[in-house]
Formats: sequence, C-alpha cells, structure tokens
Amino acid sequence: GEDVEQSLFLSVREGDSSVINCTYTDSSSTYLYWYKQEPGAGLQLLTYIFSNMDMKQDQRLTVLLNKKDKHLSLRIADTQTGDSAIYFCADRLGGKLIFGQGTELSVKP
Amino acid sequence: GAGVSQSPSNKVTEKGKDVELRCDPISGHTALYWYRQRLGQGLEFLIYFQGNSAPDKSGLPSDRFSAERTGESVSTLTIQRTQQEDSAVYLCATMALNTEAFFGQGTRLTVV
Repeated sequence: GEDVEQSLFLSVREGDSSVINCTYTDSSSTYLYWYKQEPGAGLQLLTYIFSNMDMKQDQRLTVLLNKKDKHLSLRIADTQTGDSAIYFCADRLGGKLIFGQGTELSVKP
Repeated sequence: GAGVSQSPSNKVTEKGKDVELRCDPISGHTALYWYRQRLGQGLEFLIYFQGNSAPDKSGLPSDRFSAERTGESVSTLTIQRTQQEDSAVYLCATMALNTEAFFGQGTRLTVV
C-alpha cells in the first residue's frame, strides 16, 4: 500500500526558515496536503497542492512538489514560536487520504 | 452544524467492554474517514466511506473494529471487547468533492 514518510523532528531558531520534507510511494496521487496539529488541538489544513503543479506559495508558506522523486516539502519563512506544532503531510489516492507520521517543529527564541 | 462533531470527547472504559464512537459530518460532505492516533504517533487510517459506495475497510486493525454510515449522515465506529492497546484518540474527518478534509476534535479513548 501507499507509504508516506516524514522525519520526526526539526528544530529551528525564530526568524529562520523551516523546511519540512515528505516522501510518498504512489505516483497516482491527485492532491497532497499539509496539516498542522497544535498541542491538544485538532488538525488544521495549512495548504495543499494539486499533483500537476510543482510549486505553490501562500504568504509565509511555500510548497514544492517533485513528482519524479515523489518528494514534497513545506517551507515556512520567518518561523515564529507560534509555528511550533506537529506538521503532517497527506497523500490523496482516489478518495483515500494517507498521512505521514508527522514532523514535530520546535522553534527556539 | 458548522464543523465535524465527534462524541463523546472523552471515554474511559474497562477492558473487555464495547464502545461506540460517533461522528456527525458537515452537511453535504460525501466522504468520511476514521483515523486512530496513539500518543505521540501519526494518523493511522482505519476506514473510508464515499457516498453510497462500499467502504474501504483496509485499515481496520482487527475484526473487533467496525464502522457504519448510512448515506451521507452520521457514522459510528464500534470497538468490541476493548483492549488496552485500543487506547488512543479516534479522529473523524469529512470532505466534500475535491476539497480539503475537515477534522473533528476527536474522541480520547482510555481502556483501563
């Protein structure tokens, strides 16, 4: 079945850029998503990209998609302490949504 | 309602008892997903409903787990003969056609 992989931890300094990476295995993905989960809270959609795009920018967020390598990344510019959370990438295959295990982003002042 | 509603928000049950978790979707959302999130872990896919099609049950971990949904209405996830390893947050998400999935706040299940 489809496998979505992420590194588990990332630590950055406030004001730096963060890059969170994700790889997936199935080339027939239609949409790829980034969700944010703050402590004790539900999942909130940050952004998504359609599989025929290679980049999407939304304010401080930039999503890059390399379909050949099946690699997705999320760049957060000027990272703030409020960005500390767990970030999940998700792959949509047909209707099924498969999530990675999440990357915990820690932002140090 | 305005969002995906799950009930109960917390459930403590004794090992061996059955539990039923409920998800009220956003009106008009044809797709409904159940996930399990163990402490400090990612989201584990359990089951997916799309309209009146047969559900994708490929993620259910054992035959103690089952879920129902009639049309585009409420869904219930039932866990029979609960075990301690079933302790987790159970998340429901719903989606309209070709949009994002909206998540409920989850049900925290503790099996003692």
